[in-house]
Amino acid sequence: DGGITQSPKYLFRKEGQNVTLSCEQNLNHDAMYWYRQDPGQGLRLIYYSQIVNDFQKGDIAEGYSVSREKKESFPLTVTSAQKNPTAFYLCASSMLGLAGGPGGELFFGEGSRLTVL
Amino acid sequence: GDSVTQMEGPVTLSEEAFLTINCTYTATGYPSLFWYVQYPGEGLQLLLKATKADDKGSNKGFEATYRKETTSFHLEKGSVQVSDSAVYFCALRTGAQKLVFGQGTRLTINP
Repeated sequence: DGGITQSPKYLFRKEGQNVTLSCEQNLNHDAMYWYRQDPGQGLRLIYYSQIVNDFQKGDIAEGYSVSREKKESFPLTVTSAQKNPTAFYLCASSMLGLAGGPGGELFFGEGSRLTVL
Repeated sequence: GDSVTQMEGPVTLSEEAFLTINCTYTATGYPSLFWYVQYPGEGLQLLLKATKADDKGSNKGFEATYRKETTSFHLEKGSVQVSDSAVYFCALRTGAQKLVFGQGTRLTINP
């Protein structure tokens, strides 16, 4: 079945450690996104990528890094510079296109919950 | 910048009650509007969408109409079920390749 796979589902990190969250899609989508979800704050965009080897910062990119070496993969690294990394992280993908066309909808993975000990 | 404001939760209803979750937006240009649903411990699923003014999106008994004059996209359902308990997110998307979300509304349906 086509979809987006995030791993791990749960991750614990000690302060000062970097961690990498995996996101893989087999939907043949060009665009991929990382969102952070905190209670009562909705979802905030961290990074997004519209094409391989290119990505843009979202609204809260500080303390995070990404790469897009393959169309199917968009891993997110939470670095030690991220001051409050405990959160639920969601990866998404979409076709490219103008809003309102086939590219309008985002498809989401099931999320990764990161807890800093 | 673009933004979405949702009715604050949590919302608690009895089974078979009528549901409305309000959503208003601010955007430059002509956004597409979406409702996503998140069940406990899961990612988001698209519930419905509308891409131009006066369009009505519908799915699983839920409906929302794109009202340009009031910049609103309120979610409604005539008779809710326990299985509808979840968090609901209103979102918009303009020419930029990203979705802007509201803060989410937690809905609990009691039997």
